[in-house]
Amino acid sequence: QSVLTQPPSVSGAPGQRVTISCTGSSSNIGAGSDVHWYQQLPGTAPKVVIFDNNNRPSGVPDRFSGSKSGTSASLAITGLQAEDEADYYCQSYDSSLSGWVFGGGTKLTVL
Amino acid sequence: EVQLLESGGDLVQPGGSLRLSCAASGFTFSDFAMSWVRQAPGKGLEWVSAVGGTSGYTFYTDSVKGRFTISRDNSKNMLFLQMNSLRVEDTAVYYCAKMQGAIYESYYMDVWGKGTTVTVSS
Repeated sequence: QSVLTQPPSVSGAPGQRVTISCTGSSSNIGAGSDVHWYQQLPGTAPKVVIFDNNNRPSGVPDRFSGSKSGTSASLAITGLQAEDEADYYCQSYDSSLSGWVFGGGTKLTVL
Repeated sequence: EVQLLESGGDLVQPGGSLRLSCAASGFTFSDFAMSWVRQAPGKGLEWVSAVGGTSGYTFYTDSVKGRFTISRDNSKNMLFLQMNSLRVEDTAVYYCAKMQGAIYESYYMDVWGKGTTVTVSS
């Protein structure tokens, strides 16, 4: 059971908008720790798509955006494309555990 | 180009030991904290351990404390993970990752290696 909770799966048709939630607690997201998001395509290493809650690394399309409020965060993907089909993970720091934590991951299916 | 290349993964019996290595290139290695992250077959990502750039500070997830030791050799741009008393549940792909951020609480993994596979089985 992960410290950060994500839905196991989400889906959307090409062109649509999807959001993936990440729920934490007062010892991680609620304590002010930043939230970061990773995309993992099948058989490959994870790649950061959002860092520090709402920042995109260079090369990541502006269709990807992040937000954070209270003890939760969200990743939004607009204009869904087939290439977005992947597993997505949120990550933060937990002060009670004195370490970094990941969400359980969400599988995005593009219908 | 920033690169991380892991090695050392193998099949080992429960109770055995293994040492993973990660060769870094393309950045000033000593300036950055480094982490190991693992992924069990068909499962999600799990942060395992981290080490500061020059501080020597080390961090571990509870399940590996006392069994795993992270270290680095800044003169050789190398990161290591010594794994002792291995358990079946340690079976995973182990990724080396460069950490980025202003303070530990905001650290994220901005560069990842391709991973090395550790299988613990009798």
